[in-house]
Amino acid sequence: EDKVVQSPLSLVVHEGDTVTLNCSYEVTNFRSLLWYKQEKKAPTFLFMLTSSGIEKKSGRLSSILDKKELFSILNITATQTGDSAIYLCASNAGNNRKLIWGLGTSLAVNP
Amino acid sequence: SQTIHQWPATLVQPVGSPLSLECTVEGTSNPNLYWYRQAAGRGLQLLFYSVGIGQISSEVPQNLSASRPQDRQFILSSKKLLLSDSGFYLCAWSPLAGGGYFGPGTRLLVL
Repeated sequence: EDKVVQSPLSLVVHEGDTVTLNCSYEVTNFRSLLWYKQEKKAPTFLFMLTSSGIEKKSGRLSSILDKKELFSILNITATQTGDSAIYLCASNAGNNRKLIWGLGTSLAVNP
Repeated sequence: SQTIHQWPATLVQPVGSPLSLECTVEGTSNPNLYWYRQAAGRGLQLLFYSVGIGQISSEVPQNLSASRPQDRQFILSSKKLLLSDSGFYLCAWSPLAGGGYFGPGTRLLVL
C-alpha cells in the first residue's frame, strides 16, 4: 500500500532555531515529492522535488530528495513566529498522478 | 496561469439536508481533480479523484458522491448530511508535470 510518513508529528522551537522536517515515502511509480505549508486555510505550495540530491531553496526554506533512501527533508533556518504552521508532504505517484499525503508536522515557533 | 475556484467559503447545514460543493479550474485542460476532507486541522483524507469527464474514483465509502460533468468542473454532493460530514473540504488539481494545487476550501459545519 502506498504511504507517506512524516516526522515529527509536532515540534515546538524558539525563534532563531533551525528545524528539519522529515518525510519518507513508499509509493508505486514515484513521480515527485511535494511540500506544502498550511496555516488556517488551504495548503500553499512550497516545493516539488523530482531528482535526488538537488536542493530546492526559497529564502530560509530548503528541501532535498533522496530517491535511494526514499525520503525528503525540509529545512527552515532562523525560524520566525510566522513559520508556525502545519507542513505537509505528499507524493505524486502512479500512472494517474494520484497524490498521497502524510499527516503533517505541526510546527510552533515561540518568540 | 491556472486558477482553482471553490465555493462557498463557509457553509452551515442541518443534519439530513443535501450538499453540493463546486470546484472549477481555469487555465488548464484535462487536469486530475481531487476532493479532500480535513478534520481537526491536519490529515488530508482523499475522498474522490477524477482523471477525466465522468471518471470518478472513490477512496473512502461514505454518504458523499462526486461528479465531473465537464473537464474543469468537479462537484461534491450528498443527499443527506451527517454530523460527521463536518470538516474542511478542499478541491485540488494536479497537472501532467506533477505537483498539486489547492482551491481556497469550504468549511462545512453540520448541525
